[in-house]
Amino acid sequence: DADVTQTPRNRITKTGKRIMLECSQTKGHDRMYWYRQDPGLGLRLIYYSFDVKDINKGEISDGYSVSRQAQAKFSLSLESAIPNQTALYFCATSDKRDSKNIQYFGAGTRLSVL
Amino acid sequence: KQEVTQIPAALSVPEGENLVLNCSFTDSAIYNLQWFRQDPGKGLTSLLLIQSSQREQTSGRLNASLDKSSGRSTLYIAASQPGDSATYLCAVRGRAASGGSYIPTFGRGTSLIVHP
Repeated sequence: DADVTQTPRNRITKTGKRIMLECSQTKGHDRMYWYRQDPGLGLRLIYYSFDVKDINKGEISDGYSVSRQAQAKFSLSLESAIPNQTALYFCATSDKRDSKNIQYFGAGTRLSVL
Repeated sequence: KQEVTQIPAALSVPEGENLVLNCSFTDSAIYNLQWFRQDPGKGLTSLLLIQSSQREQTSGRLNASLDKSSGRSTLYIAASQPGDSATYLCAVRGRAASGGSYIPTFGRGTSLIVHP
């Protein structure tokens, strides 16, 4: 089983729909992150959370919201999906005890908004 | 704001060549720099991480160097193989706005194809 699991792996939705992408981890890490990747671009940070009660906006948080339901779960929501949110979304985790802050990534969710 | 640039954006080489992938960053006050590999449709796999106090790291046929003062890192791949075909991403960590935390800034990646 993967340490960082994202569901669904693929999703097609229509403009205006609310959707949720889920991430769960078995690594026992306290820090979790959501990124999006567009073709030819690097990863851009959407939101991050350093523990259950800590939520921080990243570089491109507009149009997104998150929920840290438990240490192991971090969900990303698109309140009203629009076509330019079509992208590959990655969840990542890291351990606050790791001085190098190495991140571990899920396999990604490919989202298409029509 | 940290900006990370990777050159070239794409590279196609015959098997056996030695390769150099470049990563440059604008703010030299970094904590560490990490190289990742991404296969099509897959997540990121960490290859090498260099702390700001280090000059290089090696793993098998891979060698990553860091010159913080000039804002550059290189990933050297020796004797390339078709299995090395992937996108290689560089990520630079500085201090997050919230303080005491290190959030990486990613480059756009170099897409590598090694043909037999």
